[in-house]
Amino acid sequence: DAGVIQSPRHEVTEMGQEVTLRCKPISGHNSLFWYRQTMMRGLELLIYFNNNVPIDDSGMPEDRFSAKMPNASFSTLKIQPSEPRDSAVYFCASSSSTGLNQPQHFGDGTRLSIL
Amino acid sequence: AQSVTQPDIHITVSEGASLELRCNYSYGATPYLFWYVQSPGQGLQLLLKYFSGDTLVQGIKGFEAEFKRSQSSFNLRKPSVHWSDAAEYFCAVSMNTGFQKLVFGTGTRLLVSP
Repeated sequence: DAGVIQSPRHEVTEMGQEVTLRCKPISGHNSLFWYRQTMMRGLELLIYFNNNVPIDDSGMPEDRFSAKMPNASFSTLKIQPSEPRDSAVYFCASSSSTGLNQPQHFGDGTRLSIL
Repeated sequence: AQSVTQPDIHITVSEGASLELRCNYSYGATPYLFWYVQSPGQGLQLLLKYFSGDTLVQGIKGFEAEFKRSQSSFNLRKPSVHWSDAAEYFCAVSMNTGFQKLVFGTGTRLLVSP
């Protein structure tokens, strides 16, 4: 079975540029999570979607960050304009329900470097 | 606010030796607890989880963890470590917010020596 697919795996861009990260959740999963991992702050939940609807975006750091889920098989995380402090590994995860006992399946992440 | 503490940043264990990774949590209600493993360049993989019932939980790859409410701990153990277990291990707790909102510890990097 295909897992959570993220693209690109690596992104290097200059500050001020728009960055778009992509995620394809596991087919049939209706919950999707975006996380950010940095040395300073560890793993943080940015936003959570259920049935394509954003439920909790309290972790989105600022207005430069936005996330969408236009359908059940695709989500994007956009940063505009990007800044060097946005450099991190961004993970997408999906699960089969909102249930507290359903495991989250993680993609391999996008390593983002803002110069 | 809930939090997770993993006091050991790095641990080195000889191959074949036993392993225990420490995790302490802070949460007012009954916690939902998880252990994840992250290999270099990869995402996180769930090793095991605790929600209720038996406080000794078995997971994949020969790992187990014990929930101790009195100590607010959920330590991960393995009786005999293999070189392939070298990775970073994260303990996490979920709030009962209606969905699985994970709060992660800072991780423990496990090194396995020959």
